[in-house]
Amino acid sequence: GENVEQHPSTLSVQEGDSAVIKCTYSDSASNYFPWYKQELGKGPQLIIDIRSNVGEKKDQRIAVTLNKTAKHFSLHITETQPEDSAVYFCAASIGSARQLTFGSGTQLTVLP
Amino acid sequence: NAGVTQTPKFRVLKTGQSMTLLCAQDMNHEYMYWYRQDPGMGLRLIHYSVGEGTTAKGEVPDGYNVSRLKKQNFLLGLESAAPSQTSVYFCAHGQGNGEQYFGPGTRLTVT
Repeated sequence: GENVEQHPSTLSVQEGDSAVIKCTYSDSASNYFPWYKQELGKGPQLIIDIRSNVGEKKDQRIAVTLNKTAKHFSLHITETQPEDSAVYFCAASIGSARQLTFGSGTQLTVLP
Repeated sequence: NAGVTQTPKFRVLKTGQSMTLLCAQDMNHEYMYWYRQDPGMGLRLIHYSVGEGTTAKGEVPDGYNVSRLKKQNFLLGLESAAPSQTSVYFCAHGQGNGEQYFGPGTRLTVT
């Protein structure tokens, strides 16, 4: 089955700096790659996604890049703010029901 | 909560007891999923459904059963709870294009 690895497991940045989280996947048939943000005590919230026919996607301060050849994708957050502090999960989707395989998560802390 | 509610929010069970977790969505989506989340392990798919009356196994289905008698509801059952099933359970729903929307979770402790 699919395997998704996520790095780093923890990341601390100063407010205003950029943060980058990286994921690799194993199954070349995966074709949809979402990113979720999870705040303490809440369910994961979809923040951005990318499909395999696109190399990069931006939404205000967040962007995702995909390298299909290398089988890795990354989340970029610019001008970080304290409210960006949360756990971020990457995932890869495969199968007719679009089942998601998740990475193990990155705890992002934005220091004021 | 992305159009989905989970009942109950918290539950403590003793080993061997049974219980049912309810997920209800109001988005009329065909696809529904149950995940469990354990520290340091991300979310893992337990079971899923691609429509009313259908269910399928995910990555970690052992010890769980599910039913989708109505399109808007997806039930997760534990017939004989074990301490290894202590976890936070999340329900999600989607249209089948990959996007999934998660509920607030149920925190289950099995003693």
